[in-house]
Amino acid sequence: QQQVKQSPQSLIVQKGGISIINCAYENTAFDYFPWYQQFPGKGPALLIAIRPDVSEKKEGRFTISFNKSAKQFSLHIMDSQPGDSATYFCAASKGYDYKLSFGAGTTVTVRA
Amino acid sequence: KAGVTQTPRYLIKTRGQQVTLSCSPISGHRSVSWYQQTPGQGLQFLFEYFSETQRNKGNFPGRFSGRQFSNSRSEMNVSTLELGDSALYLCASSLWGGLTDTQYFGPGTRLTVL
Repeated sequence: QQQVKQSPQSLIVQKGGISIINCAYENTAFDYFPWYQQFPGKGPALLIAIRPDVSEKKEGRFTISFNKSAKQFSLHIMDSQPGDSATYFCAASKGYDYKLSFGAGTTVTVRA
Repeated sequence: KAGVTQTPRYLIKTRGQQVTLSCSPISGHRSVSWYQQTPGQGLQFLFEYFSETQRNKGNFPGRFSGRQFSNSRSEMNVSTLELGDSALYLCASSLWGGLTDTQYFGPGTRLTVL
């Protein structure tokens, strides 16, 4: 079963708008939460990541918000650009598990 | 620095056959992980290797196996192929496989089972 639930499945945003993708998890042992971006024909690439001791992390136009008590985290893409059109995956991992548990993915389309 | 390379990029097999996929990690990386990506199930973890030892395995049948060589290159094998094995198989490498170690993914091998 999916250990990380991601929504929405897809979203369309106008250029300059904000894209918001949400993820939720059940396993409180998870302590690393990366987001990956995948373009067609390519493998996923790390975008930004957060540990649970931080509530927010920003890198350029990308921000992760983390709510430990709610077991939720989200990705905000500010000032969305057509080049941001891709599939975004949230993920989680724990301790010495040596694996990532991925959400189902969100396809973002940015309209010019 | 060269990225993760996977060969072949595309494969077509028939049911019952077996297949071997290859992954060359980024130079200096010793951890290699494999994931299966399908539209229905998304990205699912297959296994992870470090220094030729499997450290974790996902919930896949025994038909899926892998190994890692002393130069960190890795192969995965799927025997007795089924239609449901059609997927993009992704390999990822990292330095040690540690919790916050960035995993770098290759472009994947697209396997089609007819």
